[in-house]
Amino acid sequence: QVQLVESGGSVVQPGGSLRLSCTASGLTFTNFGIHWVRQSPGRGLEWVAVISHDGINKNYADSVRGRFTISRDNSQNTLYLQMNSLGAEDTAVYYCARDAKYYRRGWNYYYFYMDVWGTGTTVTVSS
Amino acid sequence: IQLTQSPSSLSASVGDKVTITCQASQDIRKSLSWYQQKPGKAPKVLMYDALNLETGVPSRFSGSGSGTDFTFTISSLQPEDIATYYCHQYDKLPLTFGGGTKVEIK
Repeated sequence: QVQLVESGGSVVQPGGSLRLSCTASGLTFTNFGIHWVRQSPGRGLEWVAVISHDGINKNYADSVRGRFTISRDNSQNTLYLQMNSLGAEDTAVYYCARDAKYYRRGWNYYYFYMDVWGTGTTVTVSS
Repeated sequence: IQLTQSPSSLSASVGDKVTITCQASQDIRKSLSWYQQKPGKAPKVLMYDALNLETGVPSRFSGSGSGTDFTFTISSLQPEDIATYYCHQYDKLPLTFGGGTKVEIK
């Protein structure tokens, strides 16, 4: 069955960096746009970033733009989130999630809702 | 685009009809989905395009609305429906979520 598994979460000091991974199985990875969504302790869901199937188109939430970079290695069925200049506000469970209806038309990329989610990986920013 | 969900929490009896609303700060057409999240678990999509039921989701769940005002309904609350529910808009980037509605059993 379709499965997404995140890894790489840990405790990191403020100002530090971390790279999260999301490995996919049971799907043709190269067909899908993939999102990162996070959830701070006791808080709601926050969309973080999304990447197109080909890795060309990337979009970020204002709260992480310039600090986080989303990328993917389609040969390894893996998505990444490089996180730099981490602060306490980045403490959260990070989920990767497949876009249910993503498509590209010409140079335009279209993103929708998320239909398959990983189990999440926890990032704690603390000294 | 901001999504305002209400109520933030509710308590109802088994068998009750439960209604949650989600208001968007601007027109999002029908580009809205609803998720259920149980403690310690990832969200699960229930509805998409405002009124379409995801495959495998029980028919007691339904959605309606378009533009800026949306409604999510559980026609007969079951014990397994205890969770937090989120609306989510995908009409425009950045994608956004509502603040959530925690549903409890009375």
